[in-house]
Amino acid sequence: GQNIDQPTEMTATEGAIVQINCTYQTSGFNGLFWYQQHAGEAPTFLSYNVLDGLEEKGRFSSFLSRSKGYSYLLLKELQMKDSASYLCAAVDSNYQLIWGAGTKLIIKP
Amino acid sequence: GAVVSQHPSRVICKSGTSVKIECRSLDFQATTMFWYRQFPKQSLMLMATSNEGSKATYEQGVEKDKFLINHASLTLSTLTVTSAHPEDSSFYICSASGQGDRAEAFFGQGTRLTVV
Repeated sequence: GQNIDQPTEMTATEGAIVQINCTYQTSGFNGLFWYQQHAGEAPTFLSYNVLDGLEEKGRFSSFLSRSKGYSYLLLKELQMKDSASYLCAAVDSNYQLIWGAGTKLIIKP
Repeated sequence: GAVVSQHPSRVICKSGTSVKIECRSLDFQATTMFWYRQFPKQSLMLMATSNEGSKATYEQGVEKDKFLINHASLTLSTLTVTSAHPEDSSFYICSASGQGDRAEAFFGQGTRLTVV
């Protein structure tokens, strides 16, 4: 079956760095998305990886290893507004999104 | 990025009535639209996938006679919750894709439905 795993909850300190991991098992693979979702709002796009390696975009970076079925989202210089859920979603061979359950990130002062 | 508009953002209705939620792609043609449901502190749950001009494909456990989906054009899909009950209260989100094979999901703002 198809499966996405990511931690349920993580806590980090303002100004620090946090890495949110995601492992996936899908029927075929056509890329992986990371979304941020604040409570009561729709998800917003953060990143898309389809090739191995690290893609940096400001304070956020996303890494992909296709051979390991593994990705992570790296958040630097954490701010209180980064407190949100972070959703990992893999694209399968039918170009359908398979969603993880999300990681709730709590930022403490 | 592409813009998807979902309306209304909040709705309160009486038990037994029907509610229609609209999802529009404003600046691209959405060949596929997805409807999700999200309960508090839980992830998105795909309800159905609709392709323009075709019947929607519902996920297992989703009642197609209760959640009517219409995707009549490349820019509009609607979800109608029929004979709503309090347990239908949830956050409903649509997303649309249509830009090549990247399958990026452009989300609407979501609709908070409360059935009283």
